[in-house]
Amino acid sequence: NAGVMQNPRHLVRRRGQEARLRCSPMKGHSHVYWYRQLPEEGLKFMVYLQKENIIDESGMPKERFSAEFPKEGPSILRIQQVVRGDSAAYFCASSPSGLAGENQYFGPGTRLTVL
Amino acid sequence: TQLLEQSPQFLSIQEGENLTVYCNSSSVFSSLQWYRQEPGEGPVLLVTVVTGGEVKKLKRLTFQFGDARKDSSLHITAAQPGDTGLYLCAGAGAGGTSYGKLTFGQGTILTVHP
Repeated sequence: NAGVMQNPRHLVRRRGQEARLRCSPMKGHSHVYWYRQLPEEGLKFMVYLQKENIIDESGMPKERFSAEFPKEGPSILRIQQVVRGDSAAYFCASSPSGLAGENQYFGPGTRLTVL
Repeated sequence: TQLLEQSPQFLSIQEGENLTVYCNSSSVFSSLQWYRQEPGEGPVLLVTVVTGGEVKKLKRLTFQFGDARKDSSLHITAAQPGDTGLYLCAGAGAGGTSYGKLTFGQGTILTVHP
């Protein structure tokens, strides 16, 4: 029973390029959360999605960042025109029903480096 | 903004000692989760507590959720070098939110010396 999968594990981009981060939740989970861990900082919530719906994007920067979770396929976090400050570890987590008391399982993360 | 204050930030102890990590907030949470994170990896879930006053044990680890659901603690008995790592607490359901959006504490870096 595979856990949460993220790819790529490491991504290097030059300033101005686009970064696409993918997350496949655990089997049977239809709720995905994205978090960002900046160097020397804690994990911060970015966005919460169900299949085909964005429920809460209050932690995601308004510009250049977008997220989707299509009916088929992985959830995608997209960062356009990356800047050095976007360098961080990006984690996704999944849960079965999205409820506050549920276990939430994390993927291994994608480490984005912007040159 | 709901904040979780985690303490201590760093903890360096000898093998066999006991330790406690605290997680405190002025906000009420529906649940509190504890994770352990290794360098270069994602957080691994240790436990979820959902009831005020709840105590859960996982081998040498004991987790407690405060009666008012504003605080939690992690106690490790007879620490071993294999317990070394970053421990994170995270709360969900603050402010009446029904879904699992997590607010994380700053983390405790534990080092257990042989």
